[in-house]
Amino acid sequence: GENVEQHPSTLSVQEGDSAVIKCTYSDSASNYFPWYKQELGKRPQLIIDIRSNVGEKKDQRIAVTLNKTAKHFSLHITETQPEDSAVYFCAAGRGSTLGRLYFGRGTQLTVWP
Amino acid sequence: KAGVTQTPRYLIKTRGQQVTLSCSPISGHRSVSWYQQTPGQGLQFLFEYFSETQRNKGNFPGRFSGRQFSNSRSEMNVSTLELGDSALYLCASSLDPGGHNSPLHFGNGTRLTVT
Repeated sequence: GENVEQHPSTLSVQEGDSAVIKCTYSDSASNYFPWYKQELGKRPQLIIDIRSNVGEKKDQRIAVTLNKTAKHFSLHITETQPEDSAVYFCAAGRGSTLGRLYFGRGTQLTVWP
Repeated sequence: KAGVTQTPRYLIKTRGQQVTLSCSPISGHRSVSWYQQTPGQGLQFLFEYFSETQRNKGNFPGRFSGRQFSNSRSEMNVSTLELGDSALYLCASSLDPGGHNSPLHFGNGTRLTVT
């Protein structure tokens, strides 16, 4: 099956700085890459996703890039704010009959004011 | 629209006992998947049900089982509990199976503590 590696496991940044979280995947057939954010004590929620037919997608201060050749994708958060502090999970999967999402182990992002 | 509801929120059980957790998906969602979340291990996939059929299963022992009812509500059962089963168990529902065509909507989870 798919194997998703996520780095770093913890990340601390100053408010206003940028944060980058990277993930690699092993299955070249994976074609869907979502990112979920889980604030302390809350449920994970989808914040952005990208499909293999595009290389980059942006939504205000967050963006995701995908490099299919190298099999890695990244989450970029610009102008970080304290409310960005959370655990971020990347995932990869393919839209096949028995497809499912494979999650990374998560990155604890802390944004210091 | 009501979100995904998981009951109970907290459970304390003793080693060797069994436990049943419940998940009510968002209305209209027919796919329900279960995850075990522990510190440092992220979201470990248990299984997914769609239209009452298990369509995918993770690498957990047979002590972990589940089912889905005709109204899409799902239950998971863990028998012969071990200390290592202590975790937050998350349920997620979606319109379509696999989490690709429609996003996963997670519940708040059930915190299971095994003593």
